[in-house]
Amino acid sequence: SQQGEEDPQALSIQEGENATMNCSYKTSINNLQWYRQNSGRGLVHLILIRSNEREKHSGRLRVTLDTSKKSSSLLITASRAADTASYFCATGISTGGFKTIFGAGTRLFVKA
Amino acid sequence: DVKVTQSSRYLVKRTGEKVFLECVQDMDHENMFWYRQDPGLGLRLIYFSYDVKMKEKGDIPEGYSVSREKKERFSLILESASTNQTSMYLCASSGGRGTRGGYTFGSGTRLTVV
Repeated sequence: SQQGEEDPQALSIQEGENATMNCSYKTSINNLQWYRQNSGRGLVHLILIRSNEREKHSGRLRVTLDTSKKSSSLLITASRAADTASYFCATGISTGGFKTIFGAGTRLFVKA
Repeated sequence: DVKVTQSSRYLVKRTGEKVFLECVQDMDHENMFWYRQDPGLGLRLIYFSYDVKMKEKGDIPEGYSVSREKKERFSLILESASTNQTSMYLCASSGGRGTRGGYTFGSGTRLTVV
């Protein structure tokens, strides 16, 4: 099974609402990253939170990290139709060499 | 604007062909990666490289090889393409050692093997 697993798999909300996506992982991490992917394109790095950080903000994005529960959440506030995309969490680990492992993603659909 | 460029957006190849996927980055990054992305499976690491002429196997290296002769270029080679290698291929790069930074991805190459 994958190191990072997002929940829910899909999310549909109205424009203006907040969207929350969760990520759980299994092993110790150096950092956790969130990426966005628009349909058929490459991934775009959104935010990185280190293992000794608990919360980080970037514009309308808020990321939390709870290493005791091995989980993270991504909150997008006041969502827009342009936020429609897939969102992936990725865990940076250093066991067996440095690696970044991606989850399967959450598909977010924001209705105008 | 910094970029990772993949040579083709769409590619159709025949079974048994040797296929080259090229990736070039202009950020002087040490680290480069090749992933494949399939529905429901997320991104899976094929190969990566932390330095010129250096390569490491990822989680699914079978049927693939790579070449990194120059720092900015990382090529993925399908020695004998098969239909189960039909997928979206994503190249990424990052700077520094270890996993300190985020990755910059290319736009992807959607490969179809017929």
